[in-house]
Amino acid sequence: DGGITQSPKYLFRKEGQNVTLSCEQNLNHDAMYWYRQDPGQGLRLIYYSQIVNDFQKGDIAEGYSVSREKKESFPLTVTSAQKNPTAFYLCASSIKQNTEAFFGQGTRLTVV
Amino acid sequence: QKEVEQNSGPLSVPEGAIASLNCTYSDRGSQSFFWYRQYSGKSPELIMFIYSNGDKEDGRFTAQLNKASQYVSLLIRDSQPSDSATYLCAVNEGGGNKLTFGTGTQLKVEL
Repeated sequence: DGGITQSPKYLFRKEGQNVTLSCEQNLNHDAMYWYRQDPGQGLRLIYYSQIVNDFQKGDIAEGYSVSREKKESFPLTVTSAQKNPTAFYLCASSIKQNTEAFFGQGTRLTVV
Repeated sequence: QKEVEQNSGPLSVPEGAIASLNCTYSDRGSQSFFWYRQYSGKSPELIMFIYSNGDKEDGRFTAQLNKASQYVSLLIRDSQPSDSATYLCAVNEGGGNKLTFGTGTQLKVEL
């Protein structure tokens, strides 16, 4: 059963903590993306990767880090430097650049 | 700054009517255009994509692209209450590696 799996679905973080959001895909897609969505707003790109061991900053990369050690996996770390991390985080993948992207079910992160 | 703009709505249409959703973009080099549907609290779901000028039909959905005027639209025929959602327009800037999203239009289909 192919798809994109994000975990956990809900995540709570204390002030000053780093947390890592998981994203795994078994679609054999080359490209993977992380977006952030705030209430009533569109999606903003955090990081993207076109190939293993390579990734680029998106529009709002500050306070986030990623890795792409395997084609299937693209984890996102929300660091303590991210001052307003409460949001809905969405991972997506596409076969290659400029093609349609498919999303995971999202992780809702809340700072407590 | 490259932008993708949509009217936030809500757009209300009666059941069975045609819903028309519009999106404009600023980057003339954009090559790929996508429409996503997002239900409240859920992740976006791809509905349509279009690469060439003109119309593309898939069931009740038609995507229209006019590169000269820099707009893309989505028509939903025979609208159903289950179509009530936020519709996101996304544009893959020319030669670029990422999708830029609009803020979405909320559609309400009323009985």
